Amino acid sequence: GAGVSQTPSNKVTEKGKYVELRCDPISGHTALYWYRQSLGQGPEFLIYFQGTGAADDSGLPNDRFFAVRPEGSVSTLKIQRTERGDSAVYLCASSLYRGVAGELFFGEGSRLTVL
Amino acid sequence: QQQVKQSPQSLIVQKGGISIINCAYENTAFDYFPWYQQFPGKGPALLIAIRPDVSEKKEGRFTISFNKSAKQFSLHIMDSQPGDSATYFCAAGLGGSEKLVFGKGTKLTVNP
Repeated sequence: GAGVSQTPSNKVTEKGKYVELRCDPISGHTALYWYRQSLGQGPEFLIYFQGTGAADDSGLPNDRFFAVRPEGSVSTLKIQRTERGDSAVYLCASSLYRGVAGELFFGEGSRLTVL
Repeated sequence: QQQVKQSPQSLIVQKGGISIINCAYENTAFDYFPWYQQFPGKGPALLIAIRPDVSEKKEGRFTISFNKSAKQFSLHIMDSQPGDSATYFCAAGLGGSEKLVFGKGTKLTVNP
């Protein structure tokens, strides 16, 4: 496919469990972003990768959240000891150019529900 | 300082009418203002964007009006169509930063 692919599309887990969410960006896009969208809210920045490195992780809410992009393409967002407040849609986006003015191409998101 | 306030929360317009969504910001360092459109179950998609060196930008039926002194910007959708029914988000970005700060969104319904 030509777009940003995210898996799983839906994930239901129990409080305290570990979760991994995967993002496959558009081929050739070096910039990759994770945003979180809670119900009735706009997307909220979590982390930005340029290549393999996390250039800005200032939006990660606490140390239970971690993200990697080991080969500069696919990224995984990891959430430890999930809490009910982590329930949200996690959006991944990629961009051809770095810089906030580059168009972000979003995936359809991974909906996480923590029971 | 980092917030973008968006209104109204929801908007109902008749087909052919004009839809207007407003946003306000506090941080005068913001220098990039995009609007994103999101359909249910989909990710947001860039609709149109403006920089503060111009007061208006038009692309087809979509126009951004920007008022730098008031720290406000708005999206106008002319000749609104039922297919425009979606949630619209304004956002603001800082040059040199990779983050966009989004508003809370406006759910637009265009009745046929």
